[in-house]
Amino acid sequence: EVQLLESGGGLVQPGGSLRLSCAASGFTFSSYGMGWVRQAPGKGLEWVSSISGSAGSTFYADSVKGRFTISRDNSKNTLYLQLNSLTAEDTAVYSCARLVVATGTDYWGQGTLVTVSS
Amino acid sequence: QPVLTQSSSASASLGSSVKLTCTLSSGHSSYIIAWHQQQPGKAPRYLMKVEDSGSYNKRSGVPDRFSGSSSGADRYLTISNLQSEDEADYYCETWDSNTRVFGGGTKLTVL
Repeated sequence: EVQLLESGGGLVQPGGSLRLSCAASGFTFSSYGMGWVRQAPGKGLEWVSSISGSAGSTFYADSVKGRFTISRDNSKNTLYLQLNSLTAEDTAVYSCARLVVATGTDYWGQGTLVTVSS
Repeated sequence: QPVLTQSSSASASLGSSVKLTCTLSSGHSSYIIAWHQQQPGKAPRYLMKVEDSGSYNKRSGVPDRFSGSSSGADRYLTISNLQSEDEADYYCETWDSNTRVFGGGTKLTVL
């Protein structure tokens, strides 16, 4: 059974940093692209970042480019998202997702809440 | 990059059918889309992908009441014999070589 379990969320002050993790199990992690999607309170889904299975390619939404960094450790079956220079607009539930080339996002984690506030 | 447009809300009666629409922006009418369901307080769940040909491929476990179709730049999700548990937000998603896009979501109310 595919499982994605996020951690690392919490309350952080504006300008602060946080690192999110997503522990994957139930599939060959290195064979899949992975991504992060966020959902602000009461709002819709927003793609944040994606990474290829080999970690050779990374992609970012314009809203986070230069501030967030996606990475993965295939030996630990773990996906990461480093969040820097946070603002209130980054407050959201951050979910990791498994990506399939011709299918899109086929599995979602439960998410971890990031709250940016002083 | 592609843009996806969805109606913000829809409603239908218990036991009836509803057809939700996701419209691809100009120049992207051949794109595959994915439909996701998000029940209140839960994580999104992948339902199916829909191709420009109209063929669709559901994930295992999605009831037969759910189906997909396509016409031009429009991709559809049809839910028949509506149940109370179908009340949820429905999002479409598409992607290209370096980006992913979600529609704004349709909030479905089962009356």
